[in-house]
Amino acid sequence: GNSVTQMEGPVTLSEEAFLTINCTYTATGYPSLFWYVQYPGEGLQLLLKATKADDKGSNKGFEATYRKETTSFHLEKGSVQVSDSAVYFCALTEQSSGDKLTFGTGTRLAVRP
Amino acid sequence: NAGVTQTPKFQVLKTGQSMTLQCAQDMNHEYMSWYRQDPGMGLRLIHYSVGAGITDQGEVPNGYNVSRSTTEDFPLRLLSAAPSQTSVYFCASSYSIGLLNTEAFFGQGTRLTVV
Repeated sequence: GNSVTQMEGPVTLSEEAFLTINCTYTATGYPSLFWYVQYPGEGLQLLLKATKADDKGSNKGFEATYRKETTSFHLEKGSVQVSDSAVYFCALTEQSSGDKLTFGTGTRLAVRP
Repeated sequence: NAGVTQTPKFQVLKTGQSMTLQCAQDMNHEYMSWYRQDPGMGLRLIHYSVGAGITDQGEVPNGYNVSRSTTEDFPLRLLSAAPSQTSVYFCASSYSIGLLNTEAFFGQGTRLTVV
């Protein structure tokens, strides 16, 4: 079956530091990949996505590249802000699973001023 | 545009009680789903619906019932609450089940505690 593995959190960074959150996946077919973000007290919202190999998803300064050869979709941001403090979920969907989302366990990011 | 609305936001139940978590969306989405979020487990799919009158089980359906009488509403029922159902519940919707190219919209969640 499909699965998503994320790095354990929490990740604590100072403002303006570089962020990487690792995500690798296992899929039986050719998945689409997503990063969702959950701000405190809110539901999840889509941050970015990529639907084919070598695609780069980007939004709000965050980027992730779909790497089929390493089955990875790492999230990066060059300079984090306090407002980026949230839980980040890597996810995939794939036709053989009925297009349902499979989530990783989430990585909590805390950014200090 | 309200998006996906869940009620209540917080609930405490005693073991054996029943309740219904409400979910409504105003985007005319065909696909709706319920997830539970537990520490260290990510989000796990409970039930989903591909349209009015059609529902199916997800990864962790035991102890939960759903129905989809209208496009807008997708309530989740706990018939006899158990402490293992203590969790945060999220409802989500999307334009179609074809999530390969569509975005899932989530409600703000319901934090349920069963004592």
